[in-house]
Amino acid sequence: GEDVEQSLFLSVREGDSSVINCTYTDSSSTYLYWYKQEPGAGLQLLTYIFSNMDMKQDQRLTVLLNKKDKHLSLRIADTQTGDSAIYFCAESNQGGKLIFGQGTELSVKP
Amino acid sequence: NAGVTQTPKFRILKIGQSMTLQCTQDMNHNYMYWYRQDPGMGLKLIYYSVGAGITDKGEVPNGYNVSRSTTEDFPLRLELAAPSQTSVYFCASRTGFEKLFFGSGTQLSVL
Repeated sequence: GEDVEQSLFLSVREGDSSVINCTYTDSSSTYLYWYKQEPGAGLQLLTYIFSNMDMKQDQRLTVLLNKKDKHLSLRIADTQTGDSAIYFCAESNQGGKLIFGQGTELSVKP
Repeated sequence: NAGVTQTPKFRILKIGQSMTLQCTQDMNHNYMYWYRQDPGMGLKLIYYSVGAGITDKGEVPNGYNVSRSTTEDFPLRLELAAPSQTSVYFCASRTGFEKLFFGSGTQLSVL
């Protein structure tokens, strides 16, 4: 069945760039998403990319999609302590099914 | 505009009891979802629906049932509750393939 995999932890220094990676298995994915969850809060949509795009940039966020390798990444430029959170990758297929990865905990050290 | 409303917010069940988690949305969304989130884990899809009268299994459907008789409502039924069903449950909805709107969650403990 479909699966979405992420590394569990990432630690960076404030001001550095963070790159969070995700792989997925569903070749019929249409949209891929990045969500952010802060402690005790719900999931917040950060950005998404349509499967026929390679890259999407939105202020400090850059999403790269390699459809051949089924690899998605989220780059956060100039990472701040306020970016510390859990980041979830998710993918949706044409049938509307939407599944999430297990999340990457980003820790930003001053 | 209420968005996605889930009830109850908290519930404690005994092993073997049954209950229904209610979910309703007032945004006329076609797509509705039920997820569970275990501590320190991501969201696992239980069931989803692409419209009234249509439901489909997600990643972890065993021990649960759903129905979608109207566009607005998507209740999740737990039959014969087990400790493994202790989790936080989220209902969500969307139209098209963009933003997913989440309910505030139901914290369920099965003891």
